[in-house]
Amino acid sequence: DVKVTQSSRYLVKRTGEKVFLECVQDMDHENMFWYRQDPGLGLRLIYFSYDVKMKEKGDIPEGYSVSREKKERFSLILESASTNQTSMYLCASSFSAGFGTVFDYEQYFGPGTRLTVT
Amino acid sequence: TQLLEQSPQFLSIQEGENLTVYCNSSSVFSSLQWYRQEPGEGPVLLVTVVTGGEVKKLKRLTFQFGDARKDSSLHITAAQPGDTGLYLCAAPSGTYKYIFGTGTRLKVLA
Repeated sequence: DVKVTQSSRYLVKRTGEKVFLECVQDMDHENMFWYRQDPGLGLRLIYFSYDVKMKEKGDIPEGYSVSREKKERFSLILESASTNQTSMYLCASSFSAGFGTVFDYEQYFGPGTRLTVT
Repeated sequence: TQLLEQSPQFLSIQEGENLTVYCNSSSVFSSLQWYRQEPGEGPVLLVTVVTGGEVKKLKRLTFQFGDARKDSSLHITAAQPGDTGLYLCAAPSGTYKYIFGTGTRLKVLA
């Protein structure tokens, strides 16, 4: 059974703290993603990685950084947490269809981390 | 900027009723996916449609991709409480990325 796990289901942090969210997948997927989910806004891509040590900014990267040192692990870092980063954070992974092909592989999601910054 | 708009935003119906959820865009997409997200869980893929006009069925769920590949619909026949969840459409945006719709939150009452 395929699995994407996230380090915490719920997290409460204080403004200004450095926050680490960890994601691990066991499917040998090349691609990994971090999204945030807010009511009425859907899922918005923060960062994604298509290979080890490779990363690209998504639509809302400000205030976030990522790290991918091993294929199975993708970390999201909030350098200095702020209250507007209170949200549900979802990690996902997928196979790579290959550059230039129709990219329609399924994304497998973790259960999410609900982060509250006070 | 590519956008996927879903309607309705919320839907509350009685068990046994039929419903249709829409996903619309002004952009043409090579494919479109539908996901369902249950409370406390991440989204799970239901279907991918690729060809304009394509219809796919998954038990009581019928998915259609518009002829022009700009829109899609999800029809549920005889809804059950187990269908309750957030339904999201998603489409490719670039080589590795997807954009997601804003979602339709469905509640089916027993």
